[in-house]
Amino acid sequence: NAGVTQTPKFRVLKTGQSMTLLCAQDMNHEYMYWYRQDPGMGLRLIHYSVGEGTTAKGEVPDGYNVSRLKKQNFLLGLESAAPSQTSVYFCASSPQGANTGELFFGEGSRLTVL
Amino acid sequence: RKEVEQDPGPFNVPEGATVAFNCTYSNSASQSFFWYRQDCRKEPKLLMSVYSSGNEDGRFTAQLNRASQYISLLIRDSKLSDSATYLCVVGLNSWGKLQFGAGTQVVVTP
Repeated sequence: NAGVTQTPKFRVLKTGQSMTLLCAQDMNHEYMYWYRQDPGMGLRLIHYSVGEGTTAKGEVPDGYNVSRLKKQNFLLGLESAAPSQTSVYFCASSPQGANTGELFFGEGSRLTVL
Repeated sequence: RKEVEQDPGPFNVPEGATVAFNCTYSNSASQSFFWYRQDCRKEPKLLMSVYSSGNEDGRFTAQLNRASQYISLLIRDSKLSDSATYLCVVGLNSWGKLQFGAGTQVVVTP
């Protein structure tokens, strides 16, 4: 039972570098989300998708892009990393939308931008 | 002002004791309410939904007070394994815009 898998788990970047975080789910869920978690703050929604081929902005989308070319994958890209993007990133999927409370999270990806 | 506020704790609880804590939310239009549990350096996991009439799940009891805009979680007969951070989560609309609190840390001691 893989569930939601995120890669990579850890990454260190220099300011200005780019990278992509991959989220893969094997539960056939329609909804997928990318959150970031910072100390002293709740998880904040970056981008989300309500189905294959769709994406939408969340609460803190600036500096990030996403794509959902396949239903099972949701990619989060940082085109030019900044120290403010140092965070723990969580991907989540949901069968009927997060408002049902059924959010299944990946293990997280810890990103440090120097 | 944060939309969902929680006492960060930690709440230090002797094993077997009861602990309770609240979470307040600012948007009166909030529609759904949940408690998630997050272990240290792990992902959040749904603990329970919170219903208007209050609900129990084993040793855990959740209450919702819409008039005062807070939800609560009570843990009875605390176990060492209950040590975690408990996230209060409030849903705002049908497609799933959720607001997460920063969490309340609970430490159960022998």
